[in-house]
Amino acid sequence: GAGVSQTPSNKVTEKGKYVELRCDPISGHTALYWYRQSLGQGPEFLIYFQGTGAADDSGLPNDRFFAVRPEGSVSTLKIQRTERGDSAVYLCASSAQGTHTDTQYFGPGTRLTVL
Amino acid sequence: AQSVSQHNHHVILSEAASLELGCNYSYGGTVNLFWYVQYPGQHLQLLLKYFSGDPLVKGIKGFEAEFIKSKFSFNLRKPSVQWSDTAEYFCAVKSGNTPLVFGKGTRLSVIA
Repeated sequence: GAGVSQTPSNKVTEKGKYVELRCDPISGHTALYWYRQSLGQGPEFLIYFQGTGAADDSGLPNDRFFAVRPEGSVSTLKIQRTERGDSAVYLCASSAQGTHTDTQYFGPGTRLTVL
Repeated sequence: AQSVSQHNHHVILSEAASLELGCNYSYGGTVNLFWYVQYPGQHLQLLLKYFSGDPLVKGIKGFEAEFIKSKFSFNLRKPSVQWSDTAEYFCAVKSGNTPLVFGKGTRLSVIA
């Protein structure tokens, strides 16, 4: 079946603007994760959804970042008042149930550039 | 907080050479350990994972990793690399319900 998909693949915006990044998980996967990967770093956890609810949002850097998953499938990561430091690749992953033994399957990422 | 250290930033090997990439983690409790690979232009994919049992784990494409609890290590190995193994390799650790924590990655370049 189809893997995790993310749109757009690239997003260029200006400082101060609002952006939305979309993630389509593997069909039937209840767990969904967002990560941010800066240049030369590994992915850093942002938020984890189990179904429609955010089970762990401890990785969100500040209140400009917000994510939703209203129907337990597609998720949107929203960034308000973007800053140049937000430039990174934003990765989405999904897993079947979100248990500690589950494999997380990653999407191709959205490269966000804030000018 | 957990952390993962990958000692080598960039490794360059000739084809058929043996590979060992180091990974150490900081957490002292029960951990689940992963190696992910990212080939050029592709997304992250799982190479292998360890949860319990035999500390020597076999993964895809001839890779294996050994969990050594006393050394907090989970090094990745392959006896003979190929040009197609050129990629970035990430070690990651998870404990219970804590988020997956990644290392900074090691870039492997295999030359003919």
